[in-house]
Amino acid sequence: QVQLVQSGAEVKKPGSSVKVSCKASGGTFSSNTINWVRQAPGQGLEWIGGLIPMLATPAYAQKFSDRVTINVDASTSTAYLELHSLGLEDTAVYFCARGPVAPAAGDRWNLYYYMDVWGKGTTVTVSS
Amino acid sequence: DIQMTQSPSSLSASVGDRVTITCQASHDISKYLNWYQQKPGKAPELLIYDASNLETGVPSRFSGRGSGTNFSFTINSLQPEDFATYYCQQYKSLPTFGGGTKVEIK
Repeated sequence: QVQLVQSGAEVKKPGSSVKVSCKASGGTFSSNTINWVRQAPGQGLEWIGGLIPMLATPAYAQKFSDRVTINVDASTSTAYLELHSLGLEDTAVYFCARGPVAPAAGDRWNLYYYMDVWGKGTTVTVSS
Repeated sequence: DIQMTQSPSSLSASVGDRVTITCQASHDISKYLNWYQQKPGKAPELLIYDASNLETGVPSRFSGRGSGTNFSFTINSLQPEDFATYYCQQYKSLPTFGGGTKVEIK
Protein backbone atom coordinates (compact mmCIF):
# COMPACT_ATOMS: atom_id res chain seq x y z
CA GLN A 1 0.00 0.00 0.00
CA VAL A 2 1.47 3.33 -1.03
CA GLN A 3 2.24 5.90 1.66
CA LEU A 4 2.90 9.58 1.09
CA VAL A 5 5.77 10.94 3.17
CA GLN A 6 5.91 14.70 3.42
CA SER A 7 8.80 16.97 4.35
CA GLY A 8 9.09 18.62 7.72
CA ALA A 9 7.65 21.80 9.16
CA GLU A 10 8.78 25.14 7.79
CA VAL A 11 8.91 28.66 9.22
CA LYS A 12 9.08 31.41 6.63
CA LYS A 13 9.18 35.18 6.45
CA PRO A 14 6.50 37.13 4.61
CA GLY A 15 7.41 37.58 0.96
CA SER A 16 9.55 34.45 0.82
CA SER A 17 8.84 31.09 -0.82
CA VAL A 18 8.39 27.59 0.54
CA LYS A 19 8.87 24.23 -1.15
CA VAL A 20 7.18 21.15 0.30
CA SER A 21 7.88 17.63 -0.88
CA CYS A 22 5.78 14.47 -0.94
CA LYS A 23 7.39 11.10 -1.62
CA ALA A 24 5.38 8.05 -2.62
CA SER A 25 6.71 5.14 -0.63
CA GLY A 26 5.76 1.70 -1.89
CA GLY A 27 4.27 3.03 -5.09
CA THR A 28 4.36 5.73 -7.71
CA PHE A 29 2.28 8.65 -8.98
CA SER A 30 2.52 7.64 -12.61
CA SER A 31 -1.10 6.72 -13.30
CA ASN A 32 -2.69 8.88 -10.63
CA THR A 33 -3.41 12.48 -9.80
CA ILE A 34 -1.29 14.38 -7.30
CA ASN A 35 -3.18 16.95 -5.29
CA TRP A 36 -2.13 19.63 -2.83
CA VAL A 37 -4.69 20.72 -0.24
CA ARG A 38 -4.18 23.13 2.62
CA GLN A 39 -5.95 23.81 5.90
CA ALA A 40 -5.46 27.05 7.80
CA PRO A 41 -5.75 26.84 11.60
CA GLY A 42 -9.34 26.09 12.57
CA GLN A 43 -10.49 26.31 8.96
CA GLY A 44 -11.66 23.96 6.23
CA LEU A 45 -9.93 22.26 3.34
CA GLU A 46 -8.75 24.20 0.29
CA TRP A 47 -7.53 22.62 -2.96
CA ILE A 48 -4.45 24.43 -4.20
CA GLY A 49 -3.71 22.50 -7.36
CA GLY A 50 -2.58 19.24 -8.83
CA LEU A 51 -0.69 17.36 -11.47
CA ILE A 52 -1.43 14.32 -13.57
CA PRO A 53 2.05 12.99 -14.42
CA MET A 54 0.95 11.21 -17.57
CA LEU A 55 -0.40 14.53 -18.86
CA ALA A 56 2.49 16.59 -17.46
CA THR A 57 0.47 19.82 -17.24
CA PRO A 58 -0.41 21.02 -13.75
CA ALA A 59 -3.71 22.63 -12.80
CA TYR A 60 -4.06 25.35 -10.20
CA ALA A 61 -6.96 26.87 -8.34
CA GLN A 62 -7.42 30.39 -9.63
CA LYS A 63 -6.67 31.86 -6.21
CA PHE A 64 -3.11 30.50 -6.32
CA SER A 65 -2.39 30.39 -10.05
CA ASP A 66 0.01 33.32 -10.09
CA ARG A 67 2.26 32.15 -7.26
CA VAL A 68 2.25 28.34 -7.12
CA THR A 69 4.28 25.66 -8.87
CA ILE A 70 3.56 21.95 -8.69
CA ASN A 71 5.85 19.38 -10.28
CA VAL A 72 7.01 15.81 -9.89
CA ASP A 73 10.31 13.98 -10.10
CA ALA A 74 9.29 10.63 -11.54
CA SER A 75 12.72 9.12 -10.88
CA THR A 76 12.22 9.48 -7.13
CA SER A 77 8.39 9.40 -7.04
CA THR A 78 8.44 12.75 -5.30
CA ALA A 79 6.00 15.59 -5.85
CA TYR A 80 6.69 19.19 -4.95
CA LEU A 81 4.62 22.23 -4.08
CA GLU A 82 6.28 25.61 -4.21
CA LEU A 83 4.37 28.64 -3.01
CA HIS A 84 5.79 32.11 -3.57
CA SER A 85 5.16 35.57 -2.10
CA LEU A 86 4.05 34.12 1.20
CA GLY A 87 1.72 36.12 3.42
CA LEU A 88 0.60 35.55 7.00
CA GLU A 89 -2.57 34.02 5.59
CA ASP A 90 -0.55 31.18 4.07
CA THR A 91 0.08 29.75 7.55
CA ALA A 92 -1.52 26.32 7.26
CA VAL A 93 -1.03 22.59 7.15
CA TYR A 94 -0.30 21.52 3.58
CA PHE A 95 -1.37 18.01 2.57
CA CYS A 96 -0.48 16.05 -0.51
CA ALA A 97 -2.98 13.47 -1.65
CA ARG A 98 -3.08 10.91 -4.42
CA GLY A 99 -6.12 9.85 -6.31
CA PRO A 100 -7.19 8.11 -9.49
CA VAL A 101 -7.79 9.93 -12.73
CA ALA A 102 -11.50 10.54 -13.21
CA PRO A 103 -13.12 8.53 -16.00
CA ALA A 104 -13.81 10.50 -19.14
CA ALA A 105 -17.31 11.94 -19.28
CA GLY A 106 -19.06 14.04 -21.87
CA ASP A 107 -20.33 16.56 -19.33
CA ARG A 108 -17.08 17.00 -17.43
CA TRP A 109 -13.61 18.11 -18.57
CA ASN A 110 -11.94 17.88 -15.16
CA LEU A 111 -9.91 14.72 -14.52
CA TYR A 112 -9.17 15.26 -10.80
CA TYR A 113 -11.38 12.79 -8.97
CA TYR A 114 -11.32 11.74 -5.32
CA MET A 115 -8.28 11.66 -3.03
CA ASP A 116 -7.80 8.32 -1.32
CA VAL A 117 -4.22 8.39 -0.07
CA TRP A 118 -3.04 11.35 1.98
CA GLY A 119 0.21 12.46 3.52
CA LYS A 120 0.26 13.45 7.20
CA GLY A 121 0.65 17.12 6.36
CA THR A 122 3.41 19.73 6.55
CA THR A 123 2.95 22.74 8.80
CA VAL A 124 4.05 25.99 7.19
CA THR A 125 4.17 28.99 9.49
CA VAL A 126 4.61 32.45 8.01
CA SER A 127 5.77 34.94 10.61
CA SER A 128 7.82 38.09 10.70
CA ASP B 1 -15.36 28.06 -9.40
CA ILE B 2 -18.18 25.89 -8.17
CA GLN B 3 -19.08 26.81 -4.60
CA MET B 4 -20.11 24.10 -2.17
CA THR B 5 -22.29 25.01 0.80
CA GLN B 6 -22.58 22.53 3.64
CA SER B 7 -25.09 22.65 6.43
CA PRO B 8 -25.15 22.67 9.28
CA SER B 9 -21.66 23.88 10.09
CA SER B 10 -21.84 21.95 13.34
CA LEU B 11 -24.23 19.67 15.17
CA SER B 12 -24.46 17.85 18.47
CA ALA B 13 -25.65 14.27 18.56
CA SER B 14 -25.61 11.21 20.78
CA VAL B 15 -24.25 7.74 20.16
CA GLY B 16 -26.90 5.80 18.27
CA ASP B 17 -28.44 8.85 16.60
CA ARG B 18 -28.99 9.21 12.88
CA VAL B 19 -27.19 12.25 11.49
CA THR B 20 -27.70 13.91 8.10
CA ILE B 21 -25.52 16.59 6.53
CA THR B 22 -26.40 18.43 3.34
CA CYS B 23 -24.19 19.86 0.63
CA GLN B 24 -25.46 22.23 -2.04
CA ALA B 25 -23.54 23.07 -5.20
CA SER B 26 -23.71 26.46 -6.93
CA HIS B 27 -24.05 24.70 -10.29
CA ASP B 28 -25.25 21.32 -11.49
CA ILE B 29 -22.46 18.84 -10.70
CA SER B 30 -24.35 15.69 -11.70
CA LYS B 31 -23.07 12.94 -9.35
CA TYR B 32 -19.53 14.30 -9.13
CA LEU B 33 -19.31 14.56 -5.37
CA ASN B 34 -17.17 12.94 -2.68
CA TRP B 35 -17.33 12.91 1.13
CA TYR B 36 -14.45 12.87 3.61
CA GLN B 37 -14.06 12.49 7.36
CA GLN B 38 -11.34 14.36 9.24
CA LYS B 39 -10.37 13.92 12.87
CA PRO B 40 -8.34 16.55 14.76
CA GLY B 41 -4.68 16.61 13.78
CA LYS B 42 -5.18 14.00 11.06
CA ALA B 43 -5.46 13.99 7.30
CA PRO B 44 -8.92 13.57 5.77
CA GLU B 45 -10.12 10.09 4.86
CA LEU B 46 -12.31 9.30 1.87
CA LEU B 47 -15.69 7.81 2.79
CA ILE B 48 -17.88 8.11 -0.29
CA TYR B 49 -17.21 8.84 -3.94
CA ASP B 50 -19.53 9.56 -6.86
CA ALA B 51 -22.17 10.76 -4.42
CA SER B 52 -23.20 7.32 -3.17
CA ASN B 53 -20.39 4.77 -3.55
CA LEU B 54 -18.87 3.57 -0.30
CA GLU B 55 -15.07 3.45 -0.29
CA THR B 56 -13.65 0.00 0.44
CA GLY B 57 -13.47 -0.68 4.17
CA VAL B 58 -15.87 2.10 5.18
CA PRO B 59 -18.69 0.90 7.46
CA SER B 60 -22.13 0.60 5.91
CA ARG B 61 -23.67 3.00 8.44
CA PHE B 62 -22.29 5.77 6.20
CA SER B 63 -24.27 6.61 3.08
CA GLY B 64 -24.66 9.37 0.53
CA ARG B 65 -27.21 10.36 -2.04
CA GLY B 66 -28.14 13.12 -4.42
CA SER B 67 -27.38 14.54 -7.84
CA GLY B 68 -27.43 17.88 -9.58
CA THR B 69 -27.08 20.53 -6.91
CA ASN B 70 -28.40 18.85 -3.75
CA PHE B 71 -26.64 16.09 -1.84
CA SER B 72 -26.91 14.48 1.56
CA PHE B 73 -24.65 12.37 3.73
CA THR B 74 -26.07 10.21 6.50
CA ILE B 75 -24.58 8.33 9.42
CA ASN B 76 -26.97 5.71 10.77
CA SER B 77 -26.44 4.85 14.42
CA LEU B 78 -23.62 7.24 15.25
CA GLN B 79 -20.63 5.55 16.88
CA PRO B 80 -18.06 7.14 19.24
CA GLU B 81 -15.41 7.08 16.52
CA ASP B 82 -17.66 9.07 14.16
CA PHE B 83 -17.28 12.33 16.05
CA ALA B 84 -15.27 14.29 13.51
CA THR B 85 -15.60 16.92 10.79
CA TYR B 86 -17.08 15.95 7.43
CA TYR B 87 -16.42 17.62 4.09
CA CYS B 88 -18.00 17.35 0.66
CA GLN B 89 -15.89 17.90 -2.45
CA GLN B 90 -17.04 18.37 -6.02
CA TYR B 91 -15.10 17.41 -9.12
CA LYS B 92 -17.33 18.62 -11.95
CA SER B 93 -14.62 21.25 -12.36
CA LEU B 94 -11.33 21.63 -10.51
CA PRO B 95 -11.96 20.38 -6.97
CA THR B 96 -13.54 22.54 -4.33
CA PHE B 97 -14.60 21.57 -0.81
CA GLY B 98 -17.55 22.49 1.29
CA GLY B 99 -16.91 24.37 4.50
CA GLY B 100 -17.22 21.31 6.70
CA THR B 101 -19.64 20.01 9.33
CA LYS B 102 -18.34 19.28 12.79
CA VAL B 103 -20.20 16.45 14.52
CA GLU B 104 -19.85 16.80 18.28
CA ILE B 105 -20.99 14.74 21.24
CA LYS B 106 -24.19 15.93 22.87
